Amino acid sequence: AQKVTQTQTSISVMEKTTVTMDCVYETQDSSYFLFWYKQTASGEIVFLIRQDSYKKENATVGHYSLNFQKPKSSIGLIITATQIEDSAVYFCAMREGYQNFYFGKGTSLTVIP
Amino acid sequence: DMKVTQMPRYLIKRMGENVLLECGQDMSHETMYWYRQDPGLGLQLIYISYDVDSNSEGDIPKGYRVSRKKREHFSLILDSAKTNQTSVYFCASSWGCNQAPLFGEGTRLSVL
Repeated sequence: AQKVTQTQTSISVMEKTTVTMDCVYETQDSSYFLFWYKQTASGEIVFLIRQDSYKKENATVGHYSLNFQKPKSSIGLIITATQIEDSAVYFCAMREGYQNFYFGKGTSLTVIP
Repeated sequence: DMKVTQMPRYLIKRMGENVLLECGQDMSHETMYWYRQDPGLGLQLIYISYDVDSNSEGDIPKGYRVSRKKREHFSLILDSAKTNQTSVYFCASSWGCNQAPLFGEGTRLSVL
């Protein structure tokens, strides 16, 4: 069974608008960590933002923020005021315990000028 | 400058040949990873290393082995490469279990 699921394969948005990318995860652990990464067209994988499961406040970094809904096992990534350079593939990931680091299959974002 | 370096960046091998992919980091990170990325499958964990000579299988270890003799260096070895091992391989490293892994630029391997 997939531990981290991103149901949106691709999304297109107009520049300067807000986009939300969905991610749901599956874990039995009470403590876990959630991450979002971006993979650019060149293949580079860049860490964007993280959420610790024990923190109630949603994380925010620059124009990235998270919508953490723990009862729904959901961690959405919100990008406000999108720019052309935000076009990329976005991966959600989860670490539980000291072992595996699970990735979703990614959502491709296209920002249209 | 914090960086994970992978060598080589591109590699073409024939089926049955041995392959060595190298990864280095200059941050004294304890934990290092090898992933492969295929279209539509995302990033799949091959091996994880918690420190020198402390390696653990990931989700798809079959056909691969690893070596970590120094903390800053983690190798991925394919003994007798197969065509279905054609992929992009990423190395990553992190300090501790709650830090986001930092990724290298990837190695594109083609096995003909």
